[in-house]
Amino acid sequence: AQSVTQLGSHVSVSEGALVLLRCNYSSSVPPYLFWYVQYPNQGLQLLLKYTSAATLVKGINGFEAEFKKSETSFHLTKPSAHMSDAAEYFCAVSGLGGYQKVTFGTGTKLQVIP
Amino acid sequence: EADIYQTPRYLVIGTGKKITLECSQTMGHDKMYWYQQDPGMELHLIHYSYGVNSTEKGDLSSESTVSRIRTEHFPLTLESARPSHTSQYLCASSDNSGWADTQYFGPGTRLTVL
Repeated sequence: AQSVTQLGSHVSVSEGALVLLRCNYSSSVPPYLFWYVQYPNQGLQLLLKYTSAATLVKGINGFEAEFKKSETSFHLTKPSAHMSDAAEYFCAVSGLGGYQKVTFGTGTKLQVIP
Repeated sequence: EADIYQTPRYLVIGTGKKITLECSQTMGHDKMYWYQQDPGMELHLIHYSYGVNSTEKGDLSSESTVSRIRTEHFPLTLESARPSHTSQYLCASSDNSGWADTQYFGPGTRLTVL
């Protein structure tokens, strides 16, 4: 069984401030972890993914996430928010083998205040 | 760049109508998926396919059906639409790396059943 929990359905930050979106996972096997972003009226787009190669993962648009096994977390950060970062962000987890079912979180809407 | 298309983007229909949501991808991906997305909820997998002539039901019970006659095409059909089918439907495909596949999403079809 696997699941992800995203803390905070809405997060607001000022332009230029740190972005921190929280994700905790539960998995009975070593997980693969993903962050996807969804802009209004669009589908989801991969930001970054953890595949056990390195615990700090860098993605597109200046985002990065750190895998912390002891905390079962995979929080997404960006040092300085930009207006174009306003979107909904989804954390997701999958396990090894077979179909590799992916389980998505409920999403966090990021608002960037000018 | 991912090329996955969904039509129509928006659909408003009456109860009892038969509808088909179209999804096509030009990336040659074997794996394709249909998700249902509702505000504040996780994405629910309703159907997936490993390749031509392969279809499986996902986690969320759905009255819809799918077919996979060609690699690039994965349509979803509702024989008799009901108001409970009102939702956003996202189609996705994934590459064949076999490890932590990245999913590429279409822009979605927003269905409203009156």
